[in-house]
Amino acid sequence: RKEVEQDPGPFNVPEGATVAFNCTYSNSASQSFFWYRQDCRKEPKLLMSVYSSGNEDGRFTAQLNRASQYISLLIRDSKLSDSATYLCVVISYNTDKLIFGTGTRLQVFP
Amino acid sequence: GAGVSQSPSNKVTEKGKDVELRCDPISGHTALYWYRQSLGQGLEFLIYFQGNSAPDKSGLPSDRFSAERTGGSVSTLTIQRTQQEDSAVYLCASSANRDGLQYFGPGTRLTVT
Repeated sequence: RKEVEQDPGPFNVPEGATVAFNCTYSNSASQSFFWYRQDCRKEPKLLMSVYSSGNEDGRFTAQLNRASQYISLLIRDSKLSDSATYLCVVISYNTDKLIFGTGTRLQVFP
Repeated sequence: GAGVSQSPSNKVTEKGKDVELRCDPISGHTALYWYRQSLGQGLEFLIYFQGNSAPDKSGLPSDRFSAERTGGSVSTLTIQRTQQEDSAVYLCASSANRDGLQYFGPGTRLTVT
């Protein structure tokens, strides 16, 4: 089983829609969680950290469920510019190494 | 520049040749990662350097792959006897600490013919 798993998508949604992605992790010792965004043929860039209490940044909300070992990303009022691949990232307490999921592709259409 | 740089940006090589890919991390960043990304695929971890610790090489796919980081700064990823399946974008990232904020370089697109 992969350490970090994501639904590859694609998720095709109209502008204005709300869309949510989940990411599951297998190592219960994981301590830090993040969402990165990667545009086509570009390098990944940090979108937001995921805090235990959940956190929001504008239209983006990230949540952590330690009991079920998953994190989620909710995007409200989708824009065309949100089209990208969203990568889930987990840091293991044991190794301090970042583990990337394979990403979930989002395509927002007019 | 202030960001992570990688060179070359594109490399086309013949099967069986050796290649060297270079990464210049952000000055002062102690952590450096190499990843590989095939077309339409996720990031594949290759190797991780953290300060003066022994590198984590657990992601290197075969003994044809090696990497070093000299003086805690510049890193070189070497692929010997390249194969067509080595064709991918090789991404380098650096981080100041263990907070998850990684800065990625633009990548080197390697094509093995």
